[in-house]
Amino acid sequence: NAGVTQTPKFQVLKTGQSMTLQCAQDMNHEYMSWYRQDPGMGLRLIHYSVGAGITDQGEVPNGYNVSRSTTEDFPLRLLSAAPSQTSVYFCASSGVGQPQHFGDGTRLSIL
Amino acid sequence: AQKVTQAQTEISVVEKEDVTLDCVYETRDTTYYLFWYKQPPSGELVFLIRRNSFDEQNEISGRYSWNFQKSTSSFNFTITASQVVDSAVYFCALSEFTGGGNKLTFGTGTQLKVEL
Repeated sequence: NAGVTQTPKFQVLKTGQSMTLQCAQDMNHEYMSWYRQDPGMGLRLIHYSVGAGITDQGEVPNGYNVSRSTTEDFPLRLLSAAPSQTSVYFCASSGVGQPQHFGDGTRLSIL
Repeated sequence: AQKVTQAQTEISVVEKEDVTLDCVYETRDTTYYLFWYKQPPSGELVFLIRRNSFDEQNEISGRYSWNFQKSTSSFNFTITASQVVDSAVYFCALSEFTGGGNKLTFGTGTQLKVEL
């Protein structure tokens, strides 16, 4: 049982490049979320999904896109990376009424 | 809007001391969930506890205990007889009741250092 799997674990981008952070879960969870963690700010919600085909914005959605075509996958896209998006990104999933469980994170640096 | 405040940025204790991590929250919802997560130096987030707003009973799990007081909007976490392995960043979080906790509002975390 892999739980929540995030890839890659580390990535360095140049300003203006695009990339997709992958998140997959094998627990058939309805709910999935993306957070970013910055020093001194805790974790902040970027986007979330309550099921396949349904997504919504969290607290800090600007600069990020998401889609949920399957229950298992919830990729996060950076269309044009900016240095302000340097952060650690966490994906989480949960079943209905259950607490969220997190992946191991992706450390992203944008030069 | 929801808000979680963890006023203690960093706490240092000597092993075997008891330590309490404070958490104060703000919400307009009448029902909600509160959480504690642990982030060890390896970086992953470990779920510790979820408490719903209509259950104010304190909870104990081994050396961990939680004190939820709705009257003061606090959900404090106590580690008894701390150990070096308890060294980590601890996050308190709040969510709407609907969904069970899929949209978390986190505090800024408390770094706990337990020294020999």
